[in-house]
Amino acid sequence: ETGVTQTPRHLVMGMTNKKSLKCEQHLGHNAMYWYKQSAKKPLELMFVYSLEERVENNSVPSRFSPECPNSSHLFLHLHTLQPEDSALYLCASSQESMGARNTIYFGEGSWLTVV
Amino acid sequence: AQSVTQLDSHVSVSEGTPVLLRCNYSSSYSPSLFWYVQHPNKGLQLLLKYTSAATLVKGINGFEAEFKKSETSFHLTKPSAHMSDAAEYFCVVSDPPGGSQGNLIFGKGTKLSVKP
Repeated sequence: ETGVTQTPRHLVMGMTNKKSLKCEQHLGHNAMYWYKQSAKKPLELMFVYSLEERVENNSVPSRFSPECPNSSHLFLHLHTLQPEDSALYLCASSQESMGARNTIYFGEGSWLTVV
Repeated sequence: AQSVTQLDSHVSVSEGTPVLLRCNYSSSYSPSLFWYVQHPNKGLQLLLKYTSAATLVKGINGFEAEFKKSETSFHLTKPSAHMSDAAEYFCVVSDPPGGSQGNLIFGKGTKLSVKP
């Protein structure tokens, strides 16, 4: 148990569907992240929220839409995805402060399959 | 720019023998370095981290890593492999201060197999 909980753990969706991934952290952290892990590729940072403000986008396609309603919750809204979006989506959190390199804690991931 | 290279995509050892997973980094700054482990169908778990304190870092499950600035290396070792160590291991370098907070650069991973 890492203190970062992701639901659902597995999701299969069609290309025309709209679904959401949910992440909740119980660590009191002030920053949350979405990463994408595809087969045979390094982890890719998708979004960063620090103090509930988005600070990093990394040119992610608009079919992925993040939402951070408070410091404990993070969503990734999915719509009109492509088969190549099938991957493991990892949520993470950390306690950020200026100049400090703090450890990031990961959830167990949500396996997404787009059919 | 920061980068990290894991020199082996796959390492296979016998149970009870030493483990060596190699990692080289490139950084213009004094880096923070991490090793994460990912067991099948699980998220990433922090094994250990180096943040400019002692160069030999001890982590969980008997793993340790040594920061060698002259060699720009941060290799992960364990004296005696256990079957439960079979997993994928990621070497990670952090963004420099003033950059994107918490932006980690991940290596491509090394899959460790442990034979009985």
